[in-house]
Amino acid sequence: KAGVTQTPRYLIKTRGQQVTLSCSPISGHRSVSWYQQTPGQGLQFLFEYFSETQRNKGNFPGRFSGRQFSNSRSEMNVSTLELGDSALYLCASTQTGQSPYEQYFGPGTRLTVT
Amino acid sequence: AQSVTQLGSHVSVSEGALVLLRCNYSSSVPPYLFWYVQYPNQGLQLLLKYTSAATLVKGINGFEAEFKKSETSFHLTKPSAHMSDAAEYFCAVSDPTTGTASKLTFGTGTRLQVTL
Repeated sequence: KAGVTQTPRYLIKTRGQQVTLSCSPISGHRSVSWYQQTPGQGLQFLFEYFSETQRNKGNFPGRFSGRQFSNSRSEMNVSTLELGDSALYLCASTQTGQSPYEQYFGPGTRLTVT
Repeated sequence: AQSVTQLGSHVSVSEGALVLLRCNYSSSVPPYLFWYVQYPNQGLQLLLKYTSAATLVKGINGFEAEFKKSETSFHLTKPSAHMSDAAEYFCAVSDPTTGTASKLTFGTGTRLQVTL
């Protein structure tokens, strides 16, 4: 089975711009979660989508949003980028119904905001 | 709220020596516990998970962890370190009771260095 794929792998944006990141989960996995990883704050949960609905949300401003499509692929969007948004964004997929919800991570998208 | 504390941001061991990475958790209910490893420029790979079925959990690559409720700990060990074990290790916790079982709270990570 193919793993979790994320595109693009690297991205450079300018402050004030917006960005969209994409995640394709493992086939059959219906839950997709997003995490932000920075040297200062570590790994932080952004949100989780299941069956095209946001099921859980972390403590991030409204500039961070996401969605999930009927094929379980997910996108996250960050509007009005700030320098502090520079991070590795990780996507993880889960085969729901399998406790305790092993999450399989993709390689991440490294976003640099200048 | 749940939290995880990883003692020691950097640990250095000699090849062949015991690896011990410490993790203490805070949770009001029996949690789900995980150890992940991250190699440079890669995502996270699950090493092992605590399911409440057994307190000693065996994972991949020779790692294991023991859940100790009385000490609220879930330390990761490996009897003999290999050079290939050099990476960053994360302990994570989730709450199985509130519908947020898929929301992982991570520790700050421990970078393991293996020397010859």
